[in-house]
Amino acid sequence: GAVVSQHPSWVICKSGTSVKIECRSLDFQATTMFWYRQFPKQSLMLMATSNEGSKATYEQGVEKDKFLINHASLTLSTLTVTSAHPEDSSFYICSARATGGNTEAFFGQGTRLTVV
Amino acid sequence: QKEVEQNSGPLSVPEGAIASLNCTYSDRVSQSFFWYRQYSGKSPELIMSIYSNGDKEDGRFTAQLNKASQYVSLLIRDSQPSDSATYLCAFNAGGTSYGKLTFGQGTILTVHP
Repeated sequence: GAVVSQHPSWVICKSGTSVKIECRSLDFQATTMFWYRQFPKQSLMLMATSNEGSKATYEQGVEKDKFLINHASLTLSTLTVTSAHPEDSSFYICSARATGGNTEAFFGQGTRLTVV
Repeated sequence: QKEVEQNSGPLSVPEGAIASLNCTYSDRVSQSFFWYRQYSGKSPELIMSIYSNGDKEDGRFTAQLNKASQYVSLLIRDSQPSDSATYLCAFNAGGTSYGKLTFGQGTILTVHP
């Protein structure tokens, strides 16, 4: 089956620093990747849609200058949380959709970010 | 109005019983519907996908979709303690947005021995 790998699985950073999260499709090419955020006891909320070779599309209320998304290849998308603050602490999950046709998206294992 | 509403739970059933999870959605253009299971601290894993009206069975799981009523459900037969998790329904509108999911708030299921 399709495998999506996220790295790191967890990260602790100091307030004001930036953190980069990687999302890789290991055995398929992904034109489109999605980034979700999940706060404790809440559901997943889509943050942005990442398209290879073009700018990401952000959902309403998500600051594009704070959450930088780069999708430079068909197997890798990165999310950088800039100037992180404790309220950015959350579970960040990516999913990737295979190129071509209507296919489901596969989830990475998620990244637990804690900002102290 | 929320786009996706799930029965609020938490839901507790004895081992071996049938667990019934329900979800309604407001977007009539929705084409694809999914049920995910999420264990605490883990990423969601896909249990079932359903695209057309009617029932779809996979092992102990049966999904039911009624597009006219904008309703999708998941039945878990012979529930096991290992089924204890949060269950999320999700949908997308298809087409170019395929894979872009809107999730319900989740229902916590506990199966007690």
